[in-house]
Amino acid sequence: GENVEQHPSTLSVQEGDSAVIKCTYSDSASNYFPWYKQELGKGPQLIIDIRSNVGEKKDQRIAVTLNKTAKHFSLHITETQPEDSAVYFCAAPLMNRDDKIIFGKGTRLHILP
Amino acid sequence: EAGVVQSPRYKIIEKKQPVAFWCNPISGHNTLYWYLQNLGQGPELLIRYENEEAVDDSQLPKDRFSAERLKGVDSTLKIQPAELGDSAVYLCASSFDQGNSYNEQFFGPGTRLTVL
Repeated sequence: GENVEQHPSTLSVQEGDSAVIKCTYSDSASNYFPWYKQELGKGPQLIIDIRSNVGEKKDQRIAVTLNKTAKHFSLHITETQPEDSAVYFCAAPLMNRDDKIIFGKGTRLHILP
Repeated sequence: EAGVVQSPRYKIIEKKQPVAFWCNPISGHNTLYWYLQNLGQGPELLIRYENEEAVDDSQLPKDRFSAERLKGVDSTLKIQPAELGDSAVYLCASSFDQGNSYNEQFFGPGTRLTVL
C-alpha cells in the first residue's frame, strides 16, 4: 500500500520568509498529490494539488513541485503571513483503490511575528 | 453555499456507552467519507460511500463501528460500545465524483469524541 512520509513535523519561520514542507510517497504509480491546510477546530481544506503530468504548479504565494523520479513533492509558501499558521497535510492515492487518499502525519507551521 | 455539516461538535461519554455522529454533505455531492483523526496525525479513512453504497469499508472496525447512508444524502456513524481508544476527531467529507479523476474532498469541522 501507499506510504506517505512528511517532514518536518514542526516548522517555525519568521513572517515574510518562505516555508517548505516535503513529502515522499512509495507507490510509483501515484498520479495526484493534494495539500490540505487545517486550522484549529476546523476540518482540512484543499489549498493546492498537482497531477503527475506537470512538475510544478503555482497559485499566488503557494506552489507545489513534484519529482516523480525521486517520488517526492514539496509545498512552498512565500512571503508568509500570520494566517498561514496551521497544520499542513500532504496526501497521495492508493492506485488500486481509486479516491482512497493516504495522508501524511502533518506539519505544524508557526509564523513568528 | 453551505459546507459539510457535522453534529455534535463535541461529545463526552463513558466507556461502553454508544455514540452516534451525523453528517450532511454538500448538496449534490455523491461521495461521502468518514475519517478518523487522532491527535497529531493525518485523517485515516474509515468508510467511503458512493451514493448509498459503501464502496470501501476495509478500515472500519466492524465489531463496534457501523455506518449508514440510507438515501444517499446524509450519513450516521455509530460506535457501540465505545472504548477509551476511540477518543479522537471524526471527520466527514464529501466530493462530487466525476468518474475518472480525483476530486476535491470538502471536510466538515469534525466531532471531537472523548471517552472516559
